[in-house]
Amino acid sequence: LAKTTQPISMDSYEGQEVNITCSHNNIATNDYITWYQQFPSQGPRFIIQGYKTKVTNEVASLFIPADRKSSTLSLPRVSLSDTAVYYCLVGDMFYGGSQGNLIFGKGTKLSVKP
Amino acid sequence: KAGVTQTPRYLIKTRGQQVTLSCSPISGHRSVSWYQQTPGQGLQFLFEYFSETQRNKGNFPGRFSGRQFSNSRSEMNVSTLELGDSALYLCASKGVTGVSSYEQYFGPGTRLTVT
Repeated sequence: LAKTTQPISMDSYEGQEVNITCSHNNIATNDYITWYQQFPSQGPRFIIQGYKTKVTNEVASLFIPADRKSSTLSLPRVSLSDTAVYYCLVGDMFYGGSQGNLIFGKGTKLSVKP
Repeated sequence: KAGVTQTPRYLIKTRGQQVTLSCSPISGHRSVSWYQQTPGQGLQFLFEYFSETQRNKGNFPGRFSGRQFSNSRSEMNVSTLELGDSALYLCASKGVTGVSSYEQYFGPGTRLTVT
């Protein structure tokens, strides 16, 4: 599994756009990039997944450059409720690197202030 | 469609006791994975069950075990509890056909406190 590196924490204000970058230099050809969000004392929640270029859904966008060695999760106009830990995961789409095994790093703790 | 449910939500046990946690996956999901989350170690994979068979296991001692029933419901057991077993235990389920393994759906977790 490709190792990921992301900032430990980030601060933002309501209404701002937040970009969280994840580094994954050893990403393999079959690997996808996936982001999860976790609120305190809750299970992680799938946000978005992509392979290359740009993916957008109703909550976020994921930007992946051509070399795929990094990716950026973009949260438009954050609110207080977006305060959470965001995890970047990289692995094979169908097997998660080892069938049901997700490898979570430390994640990025995003704090949104009023 | 109902989400992943875990019972109980909170549990307090004493060192040396054993505990059983339960997880009901999303209807139709046959894969169930268990994770332990602590402030120090973060989220760590325990094991995964698929069609009543354990098909992957993390790096945890044999005191941690699990099983899956024919209806895909899963239980996790921890024997001879230690203080360090205090954690949030999360269960996640995923479909198989046409669903990325990364789209795992997590339950709310069981908060286990060992005193």
